[in-house]
Amino acid sequence: DQQVKQNSPSLSVQEGRISILNCDYTNSMFDYFLWYKKYPAEGPTFLISISSIKDKNEDGRFTVFLNKSAKHLSLHIVPSQPGDSAVYFCAAQIRGGADGLTFGKGTHLIIQP
Amino acid sequence: DGGITQSPKYLFRKEGQNVTLSCEQNLNHDAMYWYRQDPGQGLRLIYYSQIVNDFQKGDIAEGYSVSREKKESFPLTVTSAQKNPTAFYLCATYGQGNGTDTQYFGPGTRLTVL
Repeated sequence: DQQVKQNSPSLSVQEGRISILNCDYTNSMFDYFLWYKKYPAEGPTFLISISSIKDKNEDGRFTVFLNKSAKHLSLHIVPSQPGDSAVYFCAAQIRGGADGLTFGKGTHLIIQP
Repeated sequence: DGGITQSPKYLFRKEGQNVTLSCEQNLNHDAMYWYRQDPGQGLRLIYYSQIVNDFQKGDIAEGYSVSREKKESFPLTVTSAQKNPTAFYLCATYGQGNGTDTQYFGPGTRLTVL
């Protein structure tokens, strides 16, 4: 049973436009959410996070929105740049919990020139 | 320079052989994790350790073993009992950086069993 779902395996966006990556979760105990970016044959790198007490967190071109009632979060990248082409993983956690993050399967973002 | 080291980057083994993947960190983080990544599967948790000399099974621990004798080191052994060992293996720690608690990942080891 997948607790964190990224339903779009891939997404193609034109350079300069907005990229919106979506993530849904089922476990209402999750209270901390993260986005990671991953290039092929490399480890994921942390991008941005949000606590369940907030509904928005912004860092430069990246903004994460959290809708707790819908158990949905999204990552907005604006403007999209060629270097943003990568696989993006959504992850969730119960803070203070002993085990690691629960990851979605990832969305491959392709930025077209 | 703080970080997580995984070696080697690429590893080849014959079927039926055990193989140990190394993971070393100098971030002074207590918690360490092993994940595997398969195409279209995301990252799945194999084992994790919250403290030295203690570790717990993750979602897919069968066919794997770990040890945590030192805070800095968390080696993963892929045994011959693992049915499908070819994958990309990622080691991670959990701790604070840039004011945020998050997981930090090593560069990964690509294991291919021939």
